[in-house]
Amino acid sequence: SQTIHQWPATLVQPVGSPLSLECTVEGTSNPNLYWYRQAAGRGLQLLFYSVGIGQISSEVPQNLSASRPQDRQFILSSKKLLLSDSGFYLCAWSWGDHGNEKLFFGSGTQLSVL
Amino acid sequence: DQQVKQNSPSLSVQEGRISILNCDYTNSMFDYFLWYKKYPAEGPTFLISISSIKDKNEDGRFTVFLNKSAKHLSLHIVPSQPGDSAVYFCAASGGGGTSYGKLTFGQGTILTVHP
Repeated sequence: SQTIHQWPATLVQPVGSPLSLECTVEGTSNPNLYWYRQAAGRGLQLLFYSVGIGQISSEVPQNLSASRPQDRQFILSSKKLLLSDSGFYLCAWSWGDHGNEKLFFGSGTQLSVL
Repeated sequence: DQQVKQNSPSLSVQEGRISILNCDYTNSMFDYFLWYKKYPAEGPTFLISISSIKDKNEDGRFTVFLNKSAKHLSLHIVPSQPGDSAVYFCAASGGGGTSYGKLTFGQGTILTVHP
């Protein structure tokens, strides 16, 4: 069966510090990978998605970047965090492009930028 | 531009009664709709989905209804149980061409089921 791992679960970082969140998927190959963010009191916003190694699409302009160095590894980064980067970050995966994909989410990372 | 809206931030229901969660969308190109359930400090888990070629899909206590003309869908939970207390997100995909599972989510509705 497929599993998705995301870490760390919580993170407190000062403004201006770098960020690296990692996500890995097991039990499947060539998954589509996603980073979502839930800001306080808001819905889930798609930040990045990737359909293959080295292929990253950004949905919104922002202070963050994403990379996919391996087939089942997805990394969210920032060089200098802003207060507005605080939120609950979720990694997710799906498979295929047949129009009825379900997303499977990791357990999330609560990021607080102080 | 909020393409998927859940206008009720919260809903409180007595155990055993029906819970009805509502969702509206504006993009007529959406052709696949999903409901996710989320507990605090956890990722959302898939609950039920419906394709635009159907108007109803049922799975145990959960039923999703789709009204394409009104661009409205709803999730019915019968009977409601205290363990159903969570945040429920409505999501939609499609929009023509390759979607790769990119979902547009609503803001979520907090459901509280009282014993």
